[in-house]
Amino acid sequence: QVQLVQSGAEVKKPGASVKVSCKSSGYTFTAYYMHWVRQAPGQGLEWMGRINPNSGGTNYAQKFQGRVTMTKDTSISTAYMELSSLTSDDTAVYYCARVPYGDGGWLDPWGQGSLVTVSS
Amino acid sequence: EIVMTQSPATLSVSPGERATLSCRASQSVSSNLAWYQQKPGQAPRLLMYDASSRATGIPARFSGSGSGTEFTLTISSLQSEDFAVYYCQQYKNWPRTFGQGTKVEIK
Repeated sequence: QVQLVQSGAEVKKPGASVKVSCKSSGYTFTAYYMHWVRQAPGQGLEWMGRINPNSGGTNYAQKFQGRVTMTKDTSISTAYMELSSLTSDDTAVYYCARVPYGDGGWLDPWGQGSLVTVSS
Repeated sequence: EIVMTQSPATLSVSPGERATLSCRASQSVSSNLAWYQQKPGQAPRLLMYDASSRATGIPARFSGSGSGTEFTLTISSLQSEDFAVYYCQQYKNWPRTFGQGTKVEIK
C-alpha cells in the first residue's frame, strides 16, 4: 500500500534551518507530486508548496518564498523540505502528502508528521 | 488567493444525531473541494474529494454536497469515532488553501 514515512522530531534554535524527509513506498515515486503542509500547535492546516518528483520543479506559497526549499532523491524515493531562518512561529508539525494524479487533486495519503520545535 | 471559511467553529452534537458542516469559498472552486478529518495527535485523513465522492474506506454516513462556493459535509448519525476536527480544502487554484476547521464535539 502507499505509505509516506517522515523523519523524527527536531529541536532547532532561532535562525537555524531544518530539513524534514518523507520516504515513499508502494508506488512509483516519480509519478505523483508531493505537497507539504504544516500545522502550528492548536492551529489549522497551512499549505507550503509542492514538488514534482520527476523534474524537481517546485511551487511555493508566497509566504515561504525565499525560506523554503523542496527537493527529492529519486534513488531512495524520498522528498525533502528545508526551512531556513527559523523563528518560534515555525514551531509546527510538518506533513508531506501525495496527490492522486499528476499535479492535481486532493491530498492522500499523508505522512505521520514531523514536529519541529524552535526554541532558544 | 481563495479564502475558505468554515462554520460553525465548534459543533456540539449528541451521538446518533446528524451533523452538518459548512464550507464557503471566496470564489468558485467548481467541485475541486476535499474534506479531511483530523483526530488529536494524528495526521489528517481524506474523507471526501471532488465535493461529493467518498474516499476509500469511508463509511456511507459521511456525505458531501455543493459546488461553486458553497459546500456541506453531513454526518448522518454521529458515532463516537467521528468526534474530531474537520477541514475543507480547495484544489482549484494556487495556492491550495484550507478552511480553519470545524470541531465536532460531544454534547
